[in-house]
Amino acid sequence: RKEVEQDPGPFNVPEGATVAFNCTYSNSASQSFFWYRQDCRKEPKLLMSVYSSGNEDGRFTAQLNRASQYISLLIRDSKLSDSATYLCVVTRRAGGFKTIFGAGTRLFVKA
Amino acid sequence: DGGITQSPKYLFRKEGQNVTLSCEQNLNHDAMYWYRQDPGQGLRLIYYSQIVNDFQKGDIAEGYSVSREKKESFPLTVTSAQKNPTAFYLCASSIQQGTGEAFFGQGTRLTVV
Repeated sequence: RKEVEQDPGPFNVPEGATVAFNCTYSNSASQSFFWYRQDCRKEPKLLMSVYSSGNEDGRFTAQLNRASQYISLLIRDSKLSDSATYLCVVTRRAGGFKTIFGAGTRLFVKA
Repeated sequence: DGGITQSPKYLFRKEGQNVTLSCEQNLNHDAMYWYRQDPGQGLRLIYYSQIVNDFQKGDIAEGYSVSREKKESFPLTVTSAQKNPTAFYLCASSIQQGTGEAFFGQGTRLTVV
């Protein structure tokens, strides 16, 4: 079993839809959580950090559930430009720190 | 502008050759990383470095080597021992290992011909 698991999708949604991605992590010692966005054939870029209290950035809302060991990303009012792969990222102590990337969830937003 | 630069963008290697991928950052970050990404897959860690003159193996280090002689530079050599080197290679840096945002270079697409 992978340490960080995501539904690979793809999610195909119309413009204006609300879409949610979940990510589960298996190591309870995980400390920091992030969502990255990766466009086709490009490098990943930080979308948002995920805080225990939940956080929002415009149309994007991230939530963390430590008890159930999952994080989520909600995108409201989807735009064509939201089409990308969304990577769940978790860090934890392993000697120093270790950063683990999920395989990503692909999103296609259609007109 | 601060950032992280990888070169070349595309690289073709003949079987049995060693090739070196360049990664340079001017963000004054201590930690640097090399990842490999295969089509439809997530990022897998090859090597990471927390500080100059120190580096550690990641999950798939076999067939690769690195050096960290300068804070700004973390080159990756793909050796002939790497049996399936065709992939997208991403270099990243962060202020410290495992903390905060990781900044990525634009990647090098390596193809064996």
